[in-house]
Amino acid sequence: EPEVTQTPSHQVTQMGQEVILRCVPISNHLYFYWYRQILGQKVEFLVSFYNNEISEKSEIFDDQFSVERPDGSNFTLKIRSTKLEDSAMYFCASSARALGGSGELFFGEGSRLTVL
Amino acid sequence: QKEVEQDPGPLSVPEGAIVSLNCTYSNSAFQYFMWYRQYSRKGPELLMYTYSSGNKEDGRFTAQVDKSSKYISLFIRDSQPSDSATYLCAMTYSSASKIIFGSGTRLSIRP
Repeated sequence: EPEVTQTPSHQVTQMGQEVILRCVPISNHLYFYWYRQILGQKVEFLVSFYNNEISEKSEIFDDQFSVERPDGSNFTLKIRSTKLEDSAMYFCASSARALGGSGELFFGEGSRLTVL
Repeated sequence: QKEVEQDPGPLSVPEGAIVSLNCTYSNSAFQYFMWYRQYSRKGPELLMYTYSSGNKEDGRFTAQVDKSSKYISLFIRDSQPSDSATYLCAMTYSSASKIIFGSGTRLSIRP
């Protein structure tokens, strides 16, 4: 069964360092997303991406965050200067159709980011 | 008022029991409703997807949507220990670029 894959599974970094989290969405999907989940809290939307541009972003997704689809298969989330509060599980997701057109969202296993 | 409200639990029931999980929401524009299951330190896994009001059944799982009450439910029949997980409701609307999650209900099925 096709799946969303994410790397690394766990990354430990020092505060102020840049981090890139990588995702390979399901191959025929066109819509891509990043969510995050701080330990014990709800899954929160960060950003959605379609046709090589951001469709929507949340208040969490400030200037320290960026997304890119550098080639036909990868989708990346970059955090330029990490803060302690960026420690969370980051989930990549993809869908074949727009969510409002009965598109179903499929998630990866997550990348755990620990900022020291 | 939160956009999506879900009782965090934990909810503990014996094996074989019928489980009822619920969410309420405030945004009447929501039209698409989902239930995800999340095992500890794993990604959410889509269980059920429904559009507008009504029921949908898939094996031991039944999803119900009551748009007039802004209330959705997930029923699990003949619950199994392997059903122990956190269950997340989620919803979206026709022009949306995101789904919005509830906080999740932690469910434990006792053998």
